[in-house]
Amino acid sequence: EVQLVESGGGLVQPGASLKLSCVASGFTFSDYWMSWVRQTPGKTMEWIGDIKYDGSYTNYAPSLKNRFTISRDNAKSTLYLQMSNVRSEDTATYYCTRRGSYWGQGVMVTVSS
Amino acid sequence: DIQMTQSPASLSASLGETVSIECLASEDIYSNLAWYQQKPGKSPQLLIYYASSLQDGVPSRFSGSESGTQYSLEINSLQPEDEGDYFCQQSYKFPLTFGSGTKLEIK
Repeated sequence: EVQLVESGGGLVQPGASLKLSCVASGFTFSDYWMSWVRQTPGKTMEWIGDIKYDGSYTNYAPSLKNRFTISRDNAKSTLYLQMSNVRSEDTATYYCTRRGSYWGQGVMVTVSS
Repeated sequence: DIQMTQSPASLSASLGETVSIECLASEDIYSNLAWYQQKPGKSPQLLIYYASSLQDGVPSRFSGSESGTQYSLEINSLQPEDEGDYFCQQSYKFPLTFGSGTKLEIK
């Protein structure tokens, strides 16, 4: 059974950094592109970016590429999202997905002082 | 960016009815469209990919179609478990973009 389990969320202050993790199981992680998607409290869905199966290529939403970095460790079957200089508008539930076909349960990030 | 205009924002229908949700793409996306269902408090689940292909395990009462840049999700014979939010997403061009969602209530 495919499972994606995110962690690392919580309450953070504006301007801080945060790293989310997503541990994958039930499939060969290194065979798949992976994505991060976020959903605001108002339910708006926003694609953050993708990473190629070997980590050699990433693609980001233009509005986020200067602050967010996606990486992966195939040996640990883990996907990461490094967020820097966070803002209140980054408050959302962050989902790890196998390019849309499977989704994690999501992790909440709240940016507030 | 490709804009996905989704309608209606909400709808209410009775058990057994058929409903349709639409997404209009701002340009041709060549069938690169997915539909997701999100039940309250849960993560999205893929229903339809490539406009009309049914994801494994999804009931056949869900179907997708397209006409030009207009994409539709039809749900036949509504069941109580169909209540939730529905989103479309285009994957033809980066950045990938979503519709604004449709909240489906079962009366």
